[in-house]
Parts: sequence; structure tokens; C-alpha cells
Amino acid sequence: EIVLTQSPGTLSLSPGERATLSCRASQTISANLAWYQQKPGQAPRLLIYGASTRAIGIPDRFSGSGSATDFTLTISRLEPEDFAVYYCHQYVTSPPTFGPGTKVDIK
Amino acid sequence: QVQLVESGGGVVQPGESLRLSCAASGFIFRNYGMHWVRQTPGKGLEWVAVISHSGHTQYYADSVKGRFTISRDNSKNTLYLQLNSLRAEDTAVFYCAKEPAEYSSSWYYQSWGQGTLVTVSS
Repeated sequence: EIVLTQSPGTLSLSPGERATLSCRASQTISANLAWYQQKPGQAPRLLIYGASTRAIGIPDRFSGSGSATDFTLTISRLEPEDFAVYYCHQYVTSPPTFGPGTKVDIK
Repeated sequence: QVQLVESGGGVVQPGESLRLSCAASGFIFRNYGMHWVRQTPGKGLEWVAVISHSGHTQYYADSVKGRFTISRDNSKNTLYLQLNSLRAEDTAVFYCAKEPAEYSSSWYYQSWGQGTLVTVSS
């Protein structure tokens, strides 16, 4: 099973600041990585797939990069609605696995 | 638009059974592979099972193999998860989730339901 590690666990930032979230895979997954946003009481929402392709309706302040084992989700300027938990997810091999999440909270 | 609505969760005792349902609308259900994913505060998000668009192929997480069964009724646009021999560690919110493209084998999730809570407690 491929293990995903996310860092930091919590990121405390102010609106307007840039957020950089990391996800590392225990083995190479090419670009088979997705990112989701989850707010309290809601289901996860797909942001990025294929490591760098934004899902339909996702603002361009969200961008993904990386390949093989190291990936980054960047939020260029945080909006109030962006404070949430973010999960990475590999789907190159079964079982698909998720990272433990990075919480982005308001400083 | 795509809508996935889970139901069937509840409180059960260890060893008991439950059947979850996921009613789908807004897309051609029979053309898409479907998944169940669960979430606990302790273990986070965990993939549970997948079923192909036709229903002919299913795969399971090791943690549920032999206890859970995924199935679908394409005539009713509904996905199911039969949970047997439930354990305390199965306590979670269960989500159904849709693959991104027709007849695809990409296991990321374009759409999710709102989830249904299963609590296993004596």
C-alpha cells in the first residue's frame, strides 16, 4: 500500500497570503494524484487531478504541481472560504490511499 | 447536476448488519464506476470498495474483504453497500463517490454524496 504523508499538519495564515501544502508518496505514483478540500460537515470536494489539472469550477488561485513522489498544492491568495482541510489522494494503484490532511486555519 | 444521496446509516451493535444505499441522479449511472469511501476522526479517509459500471467487477479494501459487499442496480440508479459482521472500528461516515468519466478506470472522485453515519457500539 502506498502511504501519503502531508505537511505541515496545520498551516496558520491570513486572508490574502499564499499557502503551500506538500504531499509525499512512499513510492512513485507518476502524476496520479488528486487534491480535495473539505469543510466541516461537508463531503470532500475535488480540486486537482492528474497532479496539476484543476477540476471544473475550481478557481485559478488553486494550482497543483509535482510528479513521482513529491507534490504541492498552492493557493496563491487565500480567500475566507479557503480555510479548510486539504487531502491528497493517490489513485495509481489499489488500494487508493489518502494523506492525513493539512488544516489551513486563520491566523 | 450530479447528485448522490446516501441513506441507511444508523447505530448497530457489534456483529450486526446494515445496508447502505446511494441514489444517483444527474448522470448516466450505468456508465460510471462507483466507489464507497469512509471517514473516521482517527483514520481519516479510507477507500472501501469499487464496482465497475456493469457491476461485473468489484474490489475491496483488505479491512472489509469478506464482510462488506458492494453492488448496484442500474435500473434503479442505485449503489449499495452491505455491511456484515460490523466491528467498532467500522464506525465512520460512509460516502459514495463517482468516477470522473464514463467507462474509466481512474479512481479519483469527481462527485461525492453527503455521507451517512454508521455507528457500531454495544
